[in-house]
Amino acid sequence: QSVMTQPPSVSGTPGQRVTISCSGSSSNVENNYVYWYQQLPGRAPKLLITRNNQRPSGVPDRFSGSKSGTSASLAISGLRSEDDGDYSCASWDDSLTGYVFGTGTTVTVL
Amino acid sequence: QLQLQESGPGMVKPSETLSLSCNVSGGSVSRSGYYWAWIRQPPGKGLDWIGSIYSSGSLYYSPSLESRVAISVDTAKSQVSLTLTSVTAADTAVYYCARQGFQHEMDVWGKGTTVTVSS
Repeated sequence: QSVMTQPPSVSGTPGQRVTISCSGSSSNVENNYVYWYQQLPGRAPKLLITRNNQRPSGVPDRFSGSKSGTSASLAISGLRSEDDGDYSCASWDDSLTGYVFGTGTTVTVL
Repeated sequence: QLQLQESGPGMVKPSETLSLSCNVSGGSVSRSGYYWAWIRQPPGKGLDWIGSIYSSGSLYYSPSLESRVAISVDTAKSQVSLTLTSVTAADTAVYYCARQGFQHEMDVWGKGTTVTVSS
């Protein structure tokens, strides 16, 4: 099972702001970069946030990442229908000497 | 523009060996500073890292799969390969390959290939 925990689902109405938490440990989140991936229905994952809070080219500024201690968060502001999908955090884990993904969160735009 | 394309048998019988390839185009598979990773996603479940191979040849495998998995790079064919032995129904998943940067960001993904383990 994953060592990084996310809420199974979050929902909001268009225009709202939602946040997704990612709870890890000192061997991953606290001492390594956190990444966020977006997976739209039927599609491959896409890098959404890199190095805790950086947006790759082309990612709207509605998406933002933050990290504090052993937890990280992804915020989506101005929620839009096309944001429906799954979001996963990820980080390198020094104890496992491997990459770990969070449990994943489904975002539903009501 | 770097593109990755996975390919494989689609269906494998229990206890057999699964072999997948990831064709890399628009860039060099031997470019320094990058890993090549395999990730899988069982039906209705989250992403599961399988392993990564660095441009120097260093390998990192998921502890839960380490005894059954092998990843290699064929620079002549510009391919990254995955071999998984003694498969069971639990290995049924969509398998993705991805480019993994030195800081571990997976910035380019293939579209994935579906593998079903069934007799």
